[in-house]
This record gives sequence, C-alpha cells and structure tokens, in this order.
Amino acid sequence: GQQLNQSPQSMFIQEGEDVSMNCTSSSIFNTWLWYKQDPGEGPVLLIALYKAGELTSNGRLTAQFGITRKDSFLNISASIPSDVGIYFCAGPPSGYGNKLVFGAGTILRVKS
Amino acid sequence: GAVVSQHPSRVICKSGTSVKIECRSLDFQATTMFWYRQFPKQSLMLMATSNEGSKATYEQGVEKDKFLINHASLTLSTLTVTSAHPEDSSFYICSARDRVSVTQYFGPGTRLLVL
Repeated sequence: GQQLNQSPQSMFIQEGEDVSMNCTSSSIFNTWLWYKQDPGEGPVLLIALYKAGELTSNGRLTAQFGITRKDSFLNISASIPSDVGIYFCAGPPSGYGNKLVFGAGTILRVKS
Repeated sequence: GAVVSQHPSRVICKSGTSVKIECRSLDFQATTMFWYRQFPKQSLMLMATSNEGSKATYEQGVEKDKFLINHASLTLSTLTVTSAHPEDSSFYICSARDRVSVTQYFGPGTRLLVL
C-alpha cells in the first residue's frame, strides 16, 4: 500500500526551541495536510498545501509542499507547552482518489 | 473553521451487543465521509469511505457485515459495530470532506470499550 515516512518519531525539546518534522513518500501527492492530535481527541487540521513548492504559514507554524511533490515539512517556531501532541502528515497520493494516507506521527514533548 | 461532531464520545458495551456511532458535519455539506480506527500510540487506519446515497467502500481486511455504514444525508454518516467483541475496542474517528474545499475535517472520536 501507499506509505508516508514521517520523521522524527518523537521529539523532546526545550520551550522556546524551534521544531522541524518532515514526511517523504515514493508516491506523488496532490495535497499535503498537517494535523495535530491531542490525547483522546480527533486530529485538527493545521495547514493544507495544494501546490508543489507552496510555502504556507499559520501563526508559528510553517509548512512547505516539496517541489517533487513527494515530500513536505512542518516547522514550529518558538515552541510552547501547548504544542505538545502528535503531529501527522497526510495526503491523497496521486490516483488514490479522496482517501488520505497518514504518516506514523511525530510525538512532540516540550520541557518548560 | 469547519466542525464535525461525533456521538457518543465514549461507550462501554457488553460483548455481543451492537453499537452505533454518529458523525455529523455541522456547518458544511459532505458528500464523502471516512471512518478510521486508531489503536493506542498508532496512526489512523482508514476503515471505509462513506458516500452519500450509495454503498460504502471498505478497505481490505475490514468486514462490511461487521462494520455497517450508512450515509443517509449530506451531513450524517453512521457506523454500527455489530456483535461487538473485546477486540473491537478502539478509538473510532470519522472525517468529513467538504464538497467545496475538498479538505477533510475530523470529528473528536469515539472511544469504544467492549467488555
């Protein structure tokens, strides 16, 4: 099946530090989505990317749609304790219709 | 932003009973809704795609007679876990695809515990 390789698997950082995580795939994606999930909750959409090369910001979050359409990264600047959670990349591979494939997730822990 | 609700948020049932979970898009229309299952510390696994007015399509390995899906309107899809067993205990999450923006928005999830 389709696979998204998300890294790192987990991060434990100091409050105020910047965070970077990325996803890669052997398949071409038409859309890249980044979600955050808090324990016991559903994923919440952070950023949606629709064009290769697109760079989009949402507050302290910045994400880019890779030019090859096979990768994307998410950066969080000046992390704060409420950034704690699991971050997932997701997208519909080309030819996959509307179905999303999810990365394994990046667990973020912040030391205050 | 777009809101998707799920009901109930958590349910405990006895083995052998059936449980119905509702997924509603509150402020947009969704011709397509998706049902996912998530085990602890794992990613979301797509179970099935729910299409308004037609039969759901199930992912490989998901029993359609076990997990009944009905998508009767543009804002409501239901998942019924029939004859639930302890191994069906999991976190079930739905998402709804906005027919205009095509973005998927997720519900808050339903925690099912089968005793």
